Amino acid sequence: QPVLTQPPSASASLGASVTLTCTLSGGSSDYKVDWYQQRPGKGPRFVMRVGTGGIVGSKGDGIPDRFSVLGSGLNRYLTITNIQEEDESDYHCGADHGRGSNFVRVFGGGTKVTVL
Amino acid sequence: EVQLLESGGGLVQPGGSLRLSCAASGFSFSNFGMNWVRQAPGKGLEWVSSISIGGVNTYYADSVRGRFTISRDSFKNTLYLQMNSLRAEDTAVYFCAKESRYIGEGPSDSWGQGTLVTVSS
Repeated sequence: QPVLTQPPSASASLGASVTLTCTLSGGSSDYKVDWYQQRPGKGPRFVMRVGTGGIVGSKGDGIPDRFSVLGSGLNRYLTITNIQEEDESDYHCGADHGRGSNFVRVFGGGTKVTVL
Repeated sequence: EVQLLESGGGLVQPGGSLRLSCAASGFSFSNFGMNWVRQAPGKGLEWVSSISIGGVNTYYADSVRGRFTISRDSFKNTLYLQMNSLRAEDTAVYFCAKESRYIGEGPSDSWGQGTLVTVSS
């Protein structure tokens, strides 16, 4: 099954941009990855799904246009442009592997984003 | 508006049992796969279990297989997680999450606020 690796932290000044990376290992490069935002003390919120061709499907409800994704090789990226204070959160990536009795879902360790 | 409200968490001794519930509203519960995901204190998300539409198929992480049982009641619009033989490493906030439709074919597009399970003597 795949392993998803995320850097533990990232930061950006208010109004700047930040790109988060989710790196796949142990699986195929055509995996689709889901990005989730989690504000302190809250449940996760779906941001969007990304494959090698970019976004898959629609963004989550209420996700601003300043959130975008890209996929390249074994990396899946979430970029926040013009970052705002309310974007300060933990961001998790997740992916599914296998079918039927072999189905598993894996998550990365999460990246804590700080807005300076 | 989709709402998922977890309950049933609490303090339990190692080896004990708990049953978590997730009351769903704002969508046609019987037409969507459902999931449980947990988060240990200060850690990332960990998938626990999923159940298909109609409850025919269930899926478990290796860490809980044989100890936890996921189920659903479409008359009560409620998802359950029966947790037996609890261990200290099961201590976490447990989230209920709605699948976009079928398990494994889309993201978990709505999540609850979670319920805390603490396993300690």
